[in-house]
Amino acid sequence: AQSVAQPEDQVNVAEGNPLTVKCTYSVSGNPYLFWYVQYPNRGLQFLLKYITGDNLVKGSYGFEAEFNKSQTSFHLKKPSALVSDSALYFCAVRDRGTYKYIFGTGTRLKVLA
Amino acid sequence: DAEITQSPRHKITETGRQVTLACHQTWNHNNMFWYRQDLGHGLRLIHYSYGVHDTNKGEVSDGYSVSRSNTEDLPLTLESAASSQTSVYFCASNSDPLEKLFFGSGTQLSVL
Repeated sequence: AQSVAQPEDQVNVAEGNPLTVKCTYSVSGNPYLFWYVQYPNRGLQFLLKYITGDNLVKGSYGFEAEFNKSQTSFHLKKPSALVSDSALYFCAVRDRGTYKYIFGTGTRLKVLA
Repeated sequence: DAEITQSPRHKITETGRQVTLACHQTWNHNNMFWYRQDLGHGLRLIHYSYGVHDTNKGEVSDGYSVSRSNTEDLPLTLESAASSQTSVYFCASNSDPLEKLFFGSGTQLSVL
């Protein structure tokens, strides 16, 4: 079965510092990977996706993610964090046999001023 | 602008009652999904549909049902609400399996 894991419930980072939110996956075959962000009392919003091609994927709001096949990871990164980046972040993988999307448990990012 | 709307935003009900949560999208997307969000579990798939008259069970479908009579709507019904179904429910849609999901703003359901 395909799955994703987000090993950190919460990540704290100082404003201006680089941030990383971790995600590892378990799939058969090539993965389709996504990152979403959720602000309070809102639905999830798409940040970026990896389907194929370059291992470094650029997305919305200055975020990027690095696909690492050997480590089965898809970590979300940003060079300089903003207080407004504070939110709940979800990694997801799309099941290759169906159109289902499987989400991780989420990581709460807190950027401190 | 096209959008996906959920109603109601908040709902309080009693155990044993039937409850229906609405989801309406104006993108003409074929694929629609219902998730529930709970602390420690992230988002878990309840039901999904690939088109009119198509419905499929997700990983936590017990006690829930859906029907798809048109492209725009996928209502979620709790046949007999239980306290374990207290959660935040999200509807989502897309047109292509490699494309992003568009999410509604969610329905906070409390079963007392």
